[in-house]
Amino acid sequence: NAGVTQTPKFQVLKTGQSMTLQCAQDMNHEYMSWYRQDPGMGLRLIHYSVGAGITDQGEVPNGYNVSRSTTEDFPLRLLSAAPSQTSVYFCASRLDSTDTQYFGPGTRLTVL
Amino acid sequence: AQSVTQLGSHVSVSEGALVLLRCNYSSSVPPYLFWYVQYPNQGLQLLLKYTSAATLVKGINGFEAEFKKSETSFHLTKPSAHMSDAAEYFCAVSEKAAGNKLTFGGGTRVLVKP
Repeated sequence: NAGVTQTPKFQVLKTGQSMTLQCAQDMNHEYMSWYRQDPGMGLRLIHYSVGAGITDQGEVPNGYNVSRSTTEDFPLRLLSAAPSQTSVYFCASRLDSTDTQYFGPGTRLTVL
Repeated sequence: AQSVTQLGSHVSVSEGALVLLRCNYSSSVPPYLFWYVQYPNQGLQLLLKYTSAATLVKGINGFEAEFKKSETSFHLTKPSAHMSDAAEYFCAVSEKAAGNKLTFGGGTRVLVKP
């Protein structure tokens, strides 16, 4: 199993540009989530999904969209990037019946 | 609502010394508690977790944590620090009633001095 994979590893955007951060898992996990990591603030939940076709907002959803068309993939979209979205983004997944989340390696995003 | 406080954003220890990282939580129901470690430029890796079984939990790499309900704490310890323990450590809490969504503390960065 590759586990949780994320692409790209690094990205630089200009203010107003759009992009999609990709996340995929091959463990057949129902639950997937996106976090952003900022210094001193730990990880904060952006959006999550409990299965294909079902998504919900987390703690800091503004400026981000998600969809879940398959069990494996959970992309995060920035429609109009802002400097405040400069952060490291982590995707995670787990079986719905368990409590342990598995994290991807992260995407470091800089918005100029 | 659940929340997590980690006391000290940076901790410096000598190699061979005790590592103690503090975590206090608030939760309206019995929580699940986790410690994750993040090595430089990597994702988060689960160190250990408490899910209402034994209050003293042993994890990987010689770490352990003790759940103390009366103190709402879940401090992480390791008797003897190794250079490879230099990393950032995150405490997290989840509630089954809240769909097991994780709430993280701010993190503690550990520096190990030779």
